Amino acid sequence: DGGITQSPKYLFRKEGQNVTLSCEQNLNHDAMYWYRQDPGQGLRLIYYSQIVNDFQKGDIAEGYSVSREKKESFPLTVTSAQKNPTAFYLCASSIRTGRKTQYFGPGTRLLVL
Amino acid sequence: AQKVTQAQTEISVVEKEDVTLDCVYETRDTTYYLFWYKQPPSGELVFLIRRNSFDEQNEISGRYSWNFQKSTSSFNFTITASQVVDSAVYFCALSELTGGGNKLTFGTGTQLKVEL
Repeated sequence: DGGITQSPKYLFRKEGQNVTLSCEQNLNHDAMYWYRQDPGQGLRLIYYSQIVNDFQKGDIAEGYSVSREKKESFPLTVTSAQKNPTAFYLCASSIRTGRKTQYFGPGTRLLVL
Repeated sequence: AQKVTQAQTEISVVEKEDVTLDCVYETRDTTYYLFWYKQPPSGELVFLIRRNSFDEQNEISGRYSWNFQKSTSSFNFTITASQVVDSAVYFCALSELTGGGNKLTFGTGTQLKVEL
């Protein structure tokens, strides 16, 4: 079955540590996105990528980095520069840009030890 | 900047009641898309519907219906004969083309609780 997978489901980060969240899709979608969700708030865009080897910053990119080496994969690294990383992270993809529907993965919950 | 407002933070109903979730948006775009997503306790966002700004035909799908009013910038969502399984957070979202991208602006969500 086609879909979006995110791993791990829960991730714990120590102070000063970089951690990487995985996002893989087998929907043959061109565009992929990373969102952050805090309690009681909507989703905010961190980064997005329209094609391989290209990505753009979203509204809250500081303290995060991404790569897009393969069409199927769009990993997100939460760096030590992100001072408040505790949140629920959702990855999405769409068939291509131009207001097409975004489909979401199951999410990764990041907690700071 | 685009903005989506979901003024209802939480709604509680008894099973089989009808419930309407409100969504009001702001945009300077003349062409745009509106979405509703459902987020059950598991956390994954489930796509429900997409509506474009030039098609004001309202839609019904099973127990779900949507009312798009461009004149009032509203895109409301109604569940008829609610069920416990409808309990979730519902998000309204607006699409924006930014540098060729497809950015979604989300509202803060409405928590729907359906009780027996």
